[in-house]
Amino acid sequence: EAGVAQSPRYKIVEKRQSVAFWCNPISGHATLYWYQQILGQGPKLLIQFQNNGVVDDSQLPKDRFSAERLKGVDSTLKIQPAKLEDSAVYLCASSSSWGGNQPQHFGDGTRLSIL
Amino acid sequence: DQQVKQNSPSLSVQEGRISILNCDYTNSMFDYFLWYKKYPAEGPTFLISISSIKDKNEDGRFTVFLNKSAKHLSLHIVPSQPGDSAVYFCAAIAGAGSYQLTFGKGTKLSVIP
Repeated sequence: EAGVAQSPRYKIVEKRQSVAFWCNPISGHATLYWYQQILGQGPKLLIQFQNNGVVDDSQLPKDRFSAERLKGVDSTLKIQPAKLEDSAVYLCASSSSWGGNQPQHFGDGTRLSIL
Repeated sequence: DQQVKQNSPSLSVQEGRISILNCDYTNSMFDYFLWYKKYPAEGPTFLISISSIKDKNEDGRFTVFLNKSAKHLSLHIVPSQPGDSAVYFCAAIAGAGSYQLTFGKGTKLSVIP
């Protein structure tokens, strides 16, 4: 079974620029998550999709962050404009359904550095 | 406000001995707990979980214990192996709402050969 695919692995942008990340979940997984992991911290959920609908985006800074999952499969996360505090690893995860007993499977993440 | 706390940033254990990683939580709505393991430059990998209706769950060398009254859980690894060296994250889910995973900051385990 192929895992969660994310690209790019690394991204360096200057502050105030825009940046986008892509995620392809495990085939058949209906639930997709985007997390932000700042150095020394645990991952923090930004947004959760069930198919192509948003379940929870309460911690997404909506003034600069946006995410979509148009066809209920792959997803993109965008930051515009980027700020220095956005430097982090952005992790995508998927699960077969929505519930505590369905472990989330993570991709290897995109490491973002803001200059 | 840290709802899931891993108070030990690091732990060193000799190969073959027991590793005990601890986790405390403050939110009494949490009803499902998970441990993830993370190697450098990789995403977290699910290790083991436990429901709040249980006090123990075992999977091979890994056992998770839950003490609800103390709001404390622990992960035991016996025997520890060098390949277990990684960062271990404790995570919790509150059943109501979005089933959002709340992570601790992680504990870096080093197993010394």
